[in-house]
Amino acid sequence: DVKVTQSSRYLVKRTGEKVFLECVQDMDHENMFWYRQDPGLGLRLIYFSYDVKMKEKGDIPEGYSVSREKKERFSLILESASTNQTSMYLCASSLLGTVTGELFFGEGSRLTVL
Amino acid sequence: AQKVTQAQTEISVVEKEDVTLDCVYETRDTTYYLFWYKQPPSGELVFLIRRNSFDEQNEISGRYSWNFQKSTSSFNFTITASQVVDSAVYFCALSEAGAGNMLTFGGGTRLMVKP
Repeated sequence: DVKVTQSSRYLVKRTGEKVFLECVQDMDHENMFWYRQDPGLGLRLIYFSYDVKMKEKGDIPEGYSVSREKKERFSLILESASTNQTSMYLCASSLLGTVTGELFFGEGSRLTVL
Repeated sequence: AQKVTQAQTEISVVEKEDVTLDCVYETRDTTYYLFWYKQPPSGELVFLIRRNSFDEQNEISGRYSWNFQKSTSSFNFTITASQVVDSAVYFCALSEAGAGNMLTFGGGTRLMVKP
C-alpha cells in the first residue's frame, strides 16, 4: 500500500523553538510538497521539491525552510516558531510529469505554537 | 493568477439527500487541470477526480458526478443519495499546465451528512 508518512500527528512547541516536520514517501515520487491548511483558506503551498536537493518556494514560504537530502524524505523547518504558524501541515508527493498528476497526501501534522 | 473559490463553507444534509458542492475557478491559461479531493476526519486528503480543460464531458462514478462548464468556469460535484460516510471536507483544486504539478486549492466545503 503506497504511503506518505508524516512523523508527528500532533506537536506543541513554544515561541522561538526550532521545529522539524518530517515526511517520507515510499512511492519513489520525484515531487514532494508541503502545504499549510487553515480554516477557510484551504491548502496553501509553502515549498515544493522536484528532485533531491532542489526546492522551490510556494505561495507562503516566509518563516519556513525545507530540506531534501534523499528522494523519499522532505523536511519542513520552522527556524523560530511563532504563534501564527499554529496550523495543520500536510505533506504530499507525486510523480514528475508533463501532465499534472495525482497528489498523495500524508495524514497531516497539527502544530500548536504557544 | 489562478484562483479557486468554494463559496459554501459548510453544508448539512440528511442521509439520502442529493447535494452539490460548487467550485468556481479563475485562470488565464487555456490548458489546465481541475481536481476534487476528499478529506475525511482522519485528515488524509484522497484524490477523487482530475479533468483537463479540453474535456467537458460530465463524469459519473457511482453516486458521485461532476459537471464541468467552461462557459461559467465551474466544476461542480454532486453526491447522489448521500451517506454518513460522505461526511468530510471537500476541496476543489486547479493546476495550470505551465505550473508543473503545483495545485491551487479552494477553501474547502465541509459536508455533514446526518443519519
